[in-house]
Amino acid sequence: GQNIDQPTEMTATEGAIVQINCTYQTSGFNGLFWYQQHAGEAPTFLSYNVLDGLEEKGRFSSFLSRSKGYSYLLLKELQMKDSASYLCAVRDRYNTDKLIFGTGTRLQVFP
Amino acid sequence: DTGVSQNPRHKITKRGQNVTFRCDPISEHNRLYWYRQTLGQGPEFLTYFQNEAQLEKSRLLSDRFSAERPKGSFSTLEIQRTEQGDSAMYLCASSRPGLRGTGELFFGEGSRLTVL
Repeated sequence: GQNIDQPTEMTATEGAIVQINCTYQTSGFNGLFWYQQHAGEAPTFLSYNVLDGLEEKGRFSSFLSRSKGYSYLLLKELQMKDSASYLCAVRDRYNTDKLIFGTGTRLQVFP
Repeated sequence: DTGVSQNPRHKITKRGQNVTFRCDPISEHNRLYWYRQTLGQGPEFLTYFQNEAQLEKSRLLSDRFSAERPKGSFSTLEIQRTEQGDSAMYLCASSRPGLRGTGELFFGEGSRLTVL
């Protein structure tokens, strides 16, 4: 595998900011995705990073450092509806057509 | 664009029975993927197609599993002689790779299989 590592669970308070980290094996890197998955629902695409730096999309931002094999997803002004699993995925280094997913981080937002 | 459609959404079967799942991708997408997801885990790649050609099968996919995409549109995933370990959510996704965009996967709602 490509050793994708992310925390299993996180909790945060409504209105706060939370950062979900993801580390991966750097060799053969070809791009990293973040997906959101509510319980019992399909994963939905949030962001894509292939170059170093920060990509901002409204309340969500994603950062990538290729040299460190590190990414994070930053969620601002948390809302109750942000309670979900957040999946980090990288393109397979041998076949860039497919994505390899981490186990996901389950985020619970409390009022 | 109605999104990726999967059916049935839920299937309960007895061990040893065969089951078949169907996936209808987004119409202009030429790539179709099958993933499996168990509780608390991320999706695991099973296989994928470009048009009607099956390009890769995971080593996770035993001989009891077969997938087809005969006309390059919908796909079926069949599991023969089901085992309790096959219980999972089977997710289908499609994509339209190109020079522009990320080529991200669009997932269906999944077909949940329970083997008793």
